[in-house]
Amino acid sequence: EAQVTQNPRYLITVTGKKLTVTCSQNMNHEYMSWYRQDPGLGLRQIYYSMNVEVTDKGDVPEGYKVSRKEKRNFPLILESPSPNQTSLYFCASSMGGGARGYTFGSGTRLTVV
Amino acid sequence: DQQVKQNSPSLSVQEGRISILNCDYTNSMFDYFLWYKKYPAEGPTFLISISSIKDKNEDGRFTVFLNKSAKHLSLHIVPSQPGDSAVYFCAAGGSQGNLIFGKGTKLSVKP
Repeated sequence: EAQVTQNPRYLITVTGKKLTVTCSQNMNHEYMSWYRQDPGLGLRQIYYSMNVEVTDKGDVPEGYKVSRKEKRNFPLILESPSPNQTSLYFCASSMGGGARGYTFGSGTRLTVV
Repeated sequence: DQQVKQNSPSLSVQEGRISILNCDYTNSMFDYFLWYKKYPAEGPTFLISISSIKDKNEDGRFTVFLNKSAKHLSLHIVPSQPGDSAVYFCAAGGSQGNLIFGKGTKLSVKP
């Protein structure tokens, strides 16, 4: 089944403790992206990647890191999480970037206390 | 500054009638516009898109209209069904993959 898989689905962590949210897609998509969804703010892009070793900042990249060492994986790294990073995170992938639409994962709900 | 705006947080429509969801944008350089549907506890699902060089795209009950001079697009759902009740996001972007979303409109279709 073609899908984008994120792990974990739920995570509660403490301020300052480094964490990684994994994302993997099995569709051989070139484009991948991370979004966060917050009440009243909609979906905001954190980082995106057009291909292996090519990443770029979205609208809200502060406090996040990404890497794209393989085509299928695009982990999101929070080196020192803070409470304002409590959010619902979505990973997405696409064959043609914005043109063909992104396929989204099921989301990771992160709480930083 | 918001580049993609959905000014109506919610919309309520009777089953069988038309639902019209609106979206405005500020950047005339966007190449594509898309609509996504989102149910609670799920990721957004791609619904329909339109290229900036077109003014209409249709897929079954869903039609997207683009008015470039007004920097406005709309999604028409005809006829609306209770299963269409969800949050609808308008998005805009280019070939680089930087897709920008609006804040969403919650559609409720009442039986």
